[in-house]
Amino acid sequence: AQSVTQLDSHVSVSEGTPVLLRCNYSSSYSPSLFWYVQHPNKGLQLLLKYTSAATLVKGINGFEAEFKKSETSFHLTKPSAHMSDAAEYFCVVSDGAWNTDKLIFGTGTRLQVFP
Amino acid sequence: DAGVIQSPRHEVTEMGQEVTLRCKPISGHNSLFWYRQTMMRGLELLIYFNNNVPIDDSGMPEDRFSAKMPNASFSTLKIQPSEPRDSAVYFCASSRDRVTQYFGPGTRLTVL
Repeated sequence: AQSVTQLDSHVSVSEGTPVLLRCNYSSSYSPSLFWYVQHPNKGLQLLLKYTSAATLVKGINGFEAEFKKSETSFHLTKPSAHMSDAAEYFCVVSDGAWNTDKLIFGTGTRLQVFP
Repeated sequence: DAGVIQSPRHEVTEMGQEVTLRCKPISGHNSLFWYRQTMMRGLELLIYFNNNVPIDDSGMPEDRFSAKMPNASFSTLKIQPSEPRDSAVYFCASSRDRVTQYFGPGTRLTVL
């Protein structure tokens, strides 16, 4: 069965310092992987996605993630945090099987950014 | 594109009342998903449609919940009768490629 594990429920960084949000996945198939962001009282916004093309994926707002099959990881990074990055981040896997469009969501990582 | 549209954005009702949540997917998208988000359980997939046909409703909590998609541009999620434990944020999402989903802003439901 497909699953994702977000290793940190909370991450705190200072503005201008790097961000690392960790995610490990488990998938029986060649997975599609996503990061979504949810700002307070807002819907989920797609940050980036990996669908078996380049292993380093660039997303919006300066975020990127690297797919590492050997480590079953898909960590999200950003070189320099901004106050507006404070939000909840979800790592998501889709198994890509033909008969299902289901996404499996991680439990989320809340990112705090201090001035 | 306007994105996925949900209405109402907020709904407060009393236990036992019927609640109807509405969703308009992005034009051209042929898959539609209903999710529920709570602090305790996180994001849960309730049901999804492909080409207006329900594909998987295994996440629908019980018979009080029902969902319809009468055409490609409209879907409803109905709760009858509503209970306080149904209080949550309900999201609708749509997809064109069966992989990438785009979410609406959500409906915050409070059942008193």
